[in-house]
Formats: sequence, structure tokens, C-alpha cells
Amino acid sequence: GAGVSQSPRYKVTKRGQDVALRCDPISGHVSLYWYRQALGQGPEFLTYFNYEAQQDKSGLPNDRFSAERPEGSISTLTIQRTEQRDSAMYRCASSLELFSYNEQFFGPGTRLTVL
Amino acid sequence: AQTVTQSQPEMSVQEAETVTLSCTYDTSENNYYLFWYKQPPSRQMILVIRQEAYKQQNATENRFSVNFQKAAKSFSLKISDSQLGDTAMYFCALPQRPSGAGSYQLTFGKGTKLSVIP
Repeated sequence: GAGVSQSPRYKVTKRGQDVALRCDPISGHVSLYWYRQALGQGPEFLTYFNYEAQQDKSGLPNDRFSAERPEGSISTLTIQRTEQRDSAMYRCASSLELFSYNEQFFGPGTRLTVL
Repeated sequence: AQTVTQSQPEMSVQEAETVTLSCTYDTSENNYYLFWYKQPPSRQMILVIRQEAYKQQNATENRFSVNFQKAAKSFSLKISDSQLGDTAMYFCALPQRPSGAGSYQLTFGKGTKLSVIP
């Protein structure tokens, strides 16, 4: 079956522009996570959803970052007024069930470059 | 706050040899899991192996095994019979589940870049 997909795979934008990154989780997966990975570092947690409810957004760097998952499936991470420091790989992951440590399946990521 | 430390930024191993990647962590939880993820040059993130903290037996998946020492908060990954396809970044990860939360977030180490030499 299909894994987690993300689009676009690559995004180059100019400083000050808004960008929207899309994540399509594995069908039926309850939880969806967003991570950010700088070059040479491990992924860092941003936020996550159970169904359509955003449970924790403590990892979002500032109020320019927001995320939604309105129907409990596809999610969008939006970065407003992008800055060069926002350049990174943005990864989405999904997992099947609540209240277990089942695997988080990661998507291929969106590499964002802010010029 | 949870922390995960990988003290070896880069390692290399000859093909068919064995290599061990180190990871130490800190957590206040009693019941938890630990994961090793692999990130090959394709930049995918692939789960390699997981360990349940309450299990004394070390986890094994084919050529991959762990040496889990709970008291020392150490979780190393051993790769036996290394293959060229094992060349990748390897990340140790510790899940954190806030009280009452149904899901967990992962805290990753900075990674170890492993090169398998022909």
C-alpha cells in the first residue's frame, strides 16, 4: 500500500513569502506528526494531531508557523513571511493507533529553501 | 526534558565486519521504548529496530541488534556483517508521551554517519 506522501518535494521561495506544505498520511492512521530537520541534525518535533484535533504545538518555533488537519486525514503546515532560518527539511509522519508505541512512518520530506 | 546523545558523528566499517553505534539518553519515565532509525542517502527515515524498556532481553532484527542497559541509560546498535546498503545516517530516538496524551513525539539524537567501505 501507499506510504506517507508529501508535496512538494522541493520548494524554493523568497524571503517574506508564505508557503504551504502538504502531508498525506497512510490511510486510516489516527495520528499525524510534523518534524523539522536541519542539515546534519536529527528531526525536531513541531506539532501533532490525533484525528483532526491538534494536540500539541509546543514545538512550533513561533506564530508564523501553523498547521491544520481539518478532516482528520491530509494536513497542511503553513509558514508565513518565510525567513532564511526556516530553510530545512520538513517531515511528516503518521501512526496507526493511540495509546501504543506503534511505529511512526515517515514521508520523504519537503526540502524548503528560503532565499 | 528528555535528551538523546549520540557521541559519534561519523564512523566507518569494512564490508562484512561488525560495528557498534552508541546512544545514551535521559528520561524520567519508567515504561518507554527506544528506537533506531536509518536515513540512507535517499533521505528516507526507516525504522531499524525498537526496544521496550521493561524487557530485559535485547531486541534483534536480522543483522541488527541492540545492547540495552537501562540503569546506565545506554542503547547501542550493533550491525553485524555490514553491507554497502547500510551506509546511512543512524538516529537514536526516544518517545515522549505527555501525561494523558494518546500519542508520542520523538526526540532524536544528532545522528551518526556510518560509511561501509568495500
